[in-house]
Amino acid sequence: EPEVTQTPSHQVTQMGQEVILRCVPISNHLYFYWYRQILGQKVEFLVSFYNNEISEKSEIFDDQFSVERPDGSNFTLKIRSTKLEDSAMYFCASIYGLQETQYFGPGTRLLVL
Amino acid sequence: QKEVEQNSGPLSVPEGAIASLNCTYSDRGSQSFFWYRQYSGKSPELIMFIYSNGDKEDGRFTAQLNKASQYVSLLIRDSQPSDSATYLCAVNGEDTDKLIFGTGTRLQVFP
Repeated sequence: EPEVTQTPSHQVTQMGQEVILRCVPISNHLYFYWYRQILGQKVEFLVSFYNNEISEKSEIFDDQFSVERPDGSNFTLKIRSTKLEDSAMYFCASIYGLQETQYFGPGTRLLVL
Repeated sequence: QKEVEQNSGPLSVPEGAIASLNCTYSDRGSQSFFWYRQYSGKSPELIMFIYSNGDKEDGRFTAQLNKASQYVSLLIRDSQPSDSATYLCAVNGEDTDKLIFGTGTRLQVFP
């Protein structure tokens, strides 16, 4: 069964550094999402992406964040200058059509020191 | 602010019992309702989805939706220790496909 994959599984970085989190959505899916979950807290929506542009973003998704689909398979989340409070699990999800079930990747655990 | 509320638990039930998990949501325009299971340190895994009022059964799981009361529930029959996890309720609205999650209810099934 096709799955969403994410790399790396863990990333440790210094505050102020740039990180890129990578996702490979399910191959025929058209809508892509990033969520994050700070330890012990709820899963929070960051951004949705369709047809090579952002369709919706949350207040969390400020100018430090960007997303890109650089080729036909990868979907990336870049944090330009990481802060301590960016430490969280970051999940990618994808769907084929709107209102369908979102399938989540295994996540990237980001630790900012 | 659109909210999804869940009791954080833990909800402790003996093996073989029925576990009942509840969720309320604030956006009356919400269209789709999902239950995800999350083991510690892992990603959310879909258990059930429901779109229409009433009950939907899948194996040991039953989702119940009452849009008038803005209430979703998940029943787990014949609970097993492997069902011990956090259960996340998620909702999306009529004008958005983003999921809004509750904080989750931690379920503990003891032998």
